[in-house]
Amino acid sequence: EPEVTQTPSHQVTQMGQEVILRCVPISNHLYFYWYRQILGQKVEFLVSFYNNEISEKSEIFDDQFSVERPDGSNFTLKIRSTKLEDSAMYFCASSDLGQGFASEQYFGPGTRLTVT
Amino acid sequence: AQSVTQLGSHVSVSEGALVLLRCNYSSSVPPYLFWYVQYPNQGLQLLLKYTSAATLVKGINGFEAEFKKSETSFHLTKPSAHMSDAAEYFCAVSEAGGFKTIFGAGTRLFVKA
Repeated sequence: EPEVTQTPSHQVTQMGQEVILRCVPISNHLYFYWYRQILGQKVEFLVSFYNNEISEKSEIFDDQFSVERPDGSNFTLKIRSTKLEDSAMYFCASSDLGQGFASEQYFGPGTRLTVT
Repeated sequence: AQSVTQLGSHVSVSEGALVLLRCNYSSSVPPYLFWYVQYPNQGLQLLLKYTSAATLVKGINGFEAEFKKSETSFHLTKPSAHMSDAAEYFCAVSEAGGFKTIFGAGTRLFVKA
């Protein structure tokens, strides 16, 4: 069964450093998403991406964040200068139709980011 | 703005007992509603979704949920709990034409032998 994969599973970085979280969505999907879950808190929407541009973003997704689909398979989330409060589990998801059609979003296993 | 409220951060049931996880939503337009399950150290798996068709939705693993517009609720039920149902459950809402899903805070289900 096709699945979304994410690397690395755990990333430790120092405050102020740049990190790139990588995701490989399901191959025929066209919509891509990033969510985060701070330990013990709810899953929060960060950004959605379609046709090489951002479709929607939350207030969390400020200038420190960026997303990119550098090739036909990867979807990345970059945090330019990490802060302690960026420590969280980051989930990538993909779907084959937009939310307007209630398409199922398939989630990856997540990358745990720890900022020290 | 859309929002989701899950009543009870923790629910404990005995094996074989009824599971009831509560979810209330707020949306200015007809919503699409979802229940996801998260097992420890894993991603999110879709249990079921409501898309304005039948109000009683059946999902995987014997779970079902009923959309009640008058109560703005989408409670998740399972007639008989199994030990393997122990996990975190998230209710979520999105709206037609939108690209984001709003999640509730989650309910951790414990199943006692």
